[in-house]
Amino acid sequence: DTGVSQDPRHKITKRGQNVTFRCDPISEHNRLYWYRQTLGQGPEFLTYFQNEAQLEKSRLLSDRFSAERPKGSFSTLEIQRTEQGDSAMYLCASSPPGGPPLHFGNGTRLTVT
Amino acid sequence: ELKVEQNPLFLSMQEGKNYTIYCNYSTTSDRLYWYRQDPGKSLESLFVLLSNGAVKQEGRLMASLDTKARLSTLHITAAVHDLSATYFCAVGGAQKLVFGQGTRLTINP
Repeated sequence: DTGVSQDPRHKITKRGQNVTFRCDPISEHNRLYWYRQTLGQGPEFLTYFQNEAQLEKSRLLSDRFSAERPKGSFSTLEIQRTEQGDSAMYLCASSPPGGPPLHFGNGTRLTVT
Repeated sequence: ELKVEQNPLFLSMQEGKNYTIYCNYSTTSDRLYWYRQDPGKSLESLFVLLSNGAVKQEGRLMASLDTKARLSTLHITAAVHDLSATYFCAVGGAQKLVFGQGTRLTINP
């Protein structure tokens, strides 16, 4: 069990640029989640995959956000035309077929300047 | 829409004292989770509570669940500095979890 891996750990980008984050879940976990956490707040749900199917998306996820999990293994989260309000920690988590508890990665901290 | 509220949001306490963190949620659920987060780090799973009346203990921490009252508590006994962290409760079923705002716990010598 190597844990949930996220890359990069930190990303600084200028407003208007596109960014993409990667998440590698625990290998035997078929469920994968993306959350966003801002300073002093709890994680907010963004989206959830079961295998390669994206089963739920939060209303927080604007059209500028897209997530994929093409082969049911790793996942990517892309943010297009970044805005300063996108600055946050983006957390990926995975769980086995039975569902939570979620196992979180170390997150990608995004700073939009 | 499920809402999860924790209180207090900030807690400063002395070593050796006891205290309780409360987690209330708005809709019926029989699964509740407690996580710990250290500054700059990710979330670590502490407890999984899966039924009414469930009680779990690990060291100086004990968590309980009352599904009828939609309330979970995290009790800290004889606090030590190493327990300083932010604690989150989260509620949900087999799919996504909804997190509370977190309780930032500081334990002073």
